[in-house]
Amino acid sequence: DAGITQSPRHKVTETGTPVTLRCHQTENHRYMYWYRQDPGHGLRLIHYSYGVKDTDKGEVSDGYSVSRSKTEDFLLTLESATSSQTSVYFCAISEGPEQYFGPGTRLTVT
Amino acid sequence: AQSVTQPDIHITVSEGASLELRCNYSYGATPYLFWYVQSPGQGLQLLLKYFSGDTLVQGIKGFEAEFKRSQSSFNLRKPSVHWSDAAEYFCAVALRSNDYKLSFGAGTTVTVRA
Repeated sequence: DAGITQSPRHKVTETGTPVTLRCHQTENHRYMYWYRQDPGHGLRLIHYSYGVKDTDKGEVSDGYSVSRSKTEDFLLTLESATSSQTSVYFCAISEGPEQYFGPGTRLTVT
Repeated sequence: AQSVTQPDIHITVSEGASLELRCNYSYGATPYLFWYVQSPGQGLQLLLKYFSGDTLVQGIKGFEAEFKRSQSSFNLRKPSVHWSDAAEYFCAVALRSNDYKLSFGAGTTVTVRA
């Protein structure tokens, strides 16, 4: 399995609080992605990175920001969590077309 | 607009029967094509992929998929399903020109009955 970890794996937070999810890789892959998974929608891309400090928006980026200061870490921040951001969040890495996914983080916003 | 469609939300099959899951895409160029499987509470596992060449590709767990350019389809098949194949299946596509960002279909849930 590709060396990808996500932390935390589960989190419950209150509306209006900031939340940061971390994705860590040991593969030295160039690309890193954040997706959210919701019933009936499959996975949708939030943000991605194509290098250190190089990031871009995905399909559902509103309310999220990201940072990548090192090759191995890609952080996803919810500046002020809302109930609509309750979801399962997956990180993925790649050097080319094939992506490898982390175990996911289940986030509940109450 | 670019899109990936999985027409079947839920399929129920008997153990030992064949399975086919449909996937259609709408892209200007032929994308990279993937099928992923997700068991309940688990992450995504890559079943198979198509980049180029032979249009019939073999994957893990006895699955295969066929790329048909004329139909913009990449359907997944298995000749004989096992109870352990009960899961959710996702078709996904990516473009090199788009930094390999994946677009997923909504998924098909497969139930296997004894």
